[in-house]
Amino acid sequence: RKEVEQDPGPFNVPEGATVAFNCTYSNSASQSFFWYRQDCRKEPKLLMSVYSSGNEDGRFTAQLNRASQYISLLIRDSKLSDSATYLCVTSEGYQKVTFGIGTKLQVIP
Amino acid sequence: NAGVTQTPKFQVLKTGQSMTLQCAQDMNHNSMYWYRQDPGMGLRLIYYSASEGTTDKGEVPNGYNVSRLNKREFSLRLESAAPSQTSVYFCASSPTRNEKLFFGSGTQLSVL
Repeated sequence: RKEVEQDPGPFNVPEGATVAFNCTYSNSASQSFFWYRQDCRKEPKLLMSVYSSGNEDGRFTAQLNRASQYISLLIRDSKLSDSATYLCVTSEGYQKVTFGIGTKLQVIP
Repeated sequence: NAGVTQTPKFQVLKTGQSMTLQCAQDMNHNSMYWYRQDPGMGLRLIYYSASEGTTDKGEVPNGYNVSRLNKREFSLRLESAAPSQTSVYFCASSPTRNEKLFFGSGTQLSVL
C-alpha cells in the first residue's frame, strides 16, 4: 500500500464547475500537509499548505481530517488554466516528505 | 530570480556510462534534495542534504552519489548508468528544515 494514495484521474470537468480531489495517507506520524501543482513536463510547484482548521486561497480550499487521515482540495469556478496534475504531499519532517502520484485535472471549454 | 537551476535538461546515455547532474539555488536555502519521478510512482527521494557538508540517503539511493559542493550547489552522479535509471530527475531546495520545496525544471534522462 502506498503511503499517500490519490485517484490518478483524469477528472474532466467543464469550465466553471466545482471539482474536489481527495487523498488518504497511512503514516500517522505525518505532521505537515501540502498540495502541489504540476503542469505537463514541468516541475511541481507549491499550491498551498493544508491545516486542520481548513484553509482557503481564492478559489482553492484545502481540508485536513487527521482522524481519518484524509486530505481534500476543492477548486471552485474552474478555469482552463487550472488544468494540471495535483500532488498530495505529507511530511514527517524535512527528510521524510512523501508525494502521491497525483490527480490529473482537465478543464474543458 | 533564477531559483533552482538544473543542467542538463535532456540527456541520453548508454548503459555503463557515467554522468553528473548539476543543481544550483540562489535562495540561500540550507536544504537541498534530488528526486526522481516515474509514471505511476510519484516523486521519490534519492538523496538529500540538510545543510552544507552533510548528505543522507533517501528512499532510492542505490546507483547514485551526491556532492554538496557548497551551500548553493548539490550534484547527483550516476557512476554506471542502467536502463532502470531512465527517469525525470528534479532537484529541489527548501529553507532550513522546512518541507516547502522549490523545484528545478527537471532533467529528462534516458539510458539505453
